[in-house]
Amino acid sequence: DAKTTQPPSMDCAEGRAANLPCNHSTISGNEYVYWYRQIHSQGPQYIIHGLKNNETNEMASLIITEDRKSSTLILPHATLRDTAVYYCIVKADSNYQLIWGAGTKLIIKP
Amino acid sequence: DVKVTQSSRYLVKRTGEKVFLECVQDMDHENMFWYRQDPGLGLRLIYFSYDVKMKEKGDIPEGYSVSREKKERFSLILESASTNQTSMYLCASSWYGARSYEQYFGPGTRLTVT
Repeated sequence: DAKTTQPPSMDCAEGRAANLPCNHSTISGNEYVYWYRQIHSQGPQYIIHGLKNNETNEMASLIITEDRKSSTLILPHATLRDTAVYYCIVKADSNYQLIWGAGTKLIIKP
Repeated sequence: DVKVTQSSRYLVKRTGEKVFLECVQDMDHENMFWYRQDPGLGLRLIYFSYDVKMKEKGDIPEGYSVSREKKERFSLILESASTNQTSMYLCASSWYGARSYEQYFGPGTRLTVT
């Protein structure tokens, strides 16, 4: 599976959009991009995933570049409860295993 | 809502003890997973099960075994606990096939081995 690179930490003001980048320059054609987050003292939580097209759900939007070498997770109106570590993972659909990196620690400030 | 529960939030055991960590899910998921999480090392997969009585080793199975006698329950066993097994243990479950990427996690068990 391809590896990902994320900034170790980011700050965002409450109410603003939080944009979390992820580089995956060696991604293969059959690999999806998945985002999870882990709030302190809890297990990780699935957020969203995509292959080529941009995706949106009730939690977030995922923008994937045309060459698929990078993506951005967008939390449109960040709240204090969005403070968490956000993990970007790439994985082929046929594989069961998620390979977890260090993620980005996002701190939402009042 | 999917619920994954783990038997304990905190556990303290002595070196050499046999330790059982239990995980139960209520969504009829085929897949179940055991991870450990350590600072600076992220989540690492210990074992995976895709069906009752079926198991596969993950990245770090040494010192651990698992049991899945019923679909909803997946147990992690430390046969003889050692101090280097002090960690946060996370259980997860998912459907088999197209939605297998969407793993649901329990709250974790923080195990300390003294």
